[in-house]
Amino acid sequence: GQNIDQPTEMTATEGAIVQINCTYQTSGFNGLFWYQQHAGEAPTFLSYNVLDGLEEKGRFSSFLSRSKGYSYLLLKELQMKDSASYLCAVRFYGGATNKLIFGTGTLLAVQP
Amino acid sequence: NAGVTQTPKFRVLKTGQSMTLLCAQDMNHEYMYWYRQDPGMGLRLIHYSVGEGTTAKGEVPDGYNVSRLKKQNFLLGLESAAPSQTSVYFCASTRAANYGYTFGSGTRLTVV
Repeated sequence: GQNIDQPTEMTATEGAIVQINCTYQTSGFNGLFWYQQHAGEAPTFLSYNVLDGLEEKGRFSSFLSRSKGYSYLLLKELQMKDSASYLCAVRFYGGATNKLIFGTGTLLAVQP
Repeated sequence: NAGVTQTPKFRVLKTGQSMTLLCAQDMNHEYMYWYRQDPGMGLRLIHYSVGEGTTAKGEVPDGYNVSRLKKQNFLLGLESAAPSQTSVYFCASTRAANYGYTFGSGTRLTVV
């Protein structure tokens, strides 16, 4: 199968740094996305990685290691509004479909 | 710019009833997708379309049908609703491989 694994829940403190990990099957890998989803809302796009390394966007960074089948999302200077689910999604080769397989999401709770 | 619009936002159906969920996007995107989201299961792909007039099955297509007669619209039909189809349904679209999806706000469907 094309399992994508990420922790179910994490807790962190306001102002701190948190790293959310995602592992996936390497065979057929063709890109990895991170999304943020607040409770009761739609997912919103955060980042895209297809090559190894770190992509930085303000307080959020995403890292990819293709050989290890591993990615992480790094959130710095945590704010209360960062409390949300973070979804890791992978695109696998399979024709020009652009379909994504999603992990079950990591629910992040930011505490004061 | 409306982005991706889903209608209806909420619906309660009785077992055996039929309904159609409408997804409309005004971004001229080629690719459109229907996902369902259930607690602990993450987003699962039901059906998708890579262009006007095309449709294909995703991970969990049973009990659903789709049509993409116009590029901007992607319809999801339930011919005979079952309680197992109680879920939140998200439509998404994208224009190309390395772009993230834009999601609609979701449809909360309850089948009793």
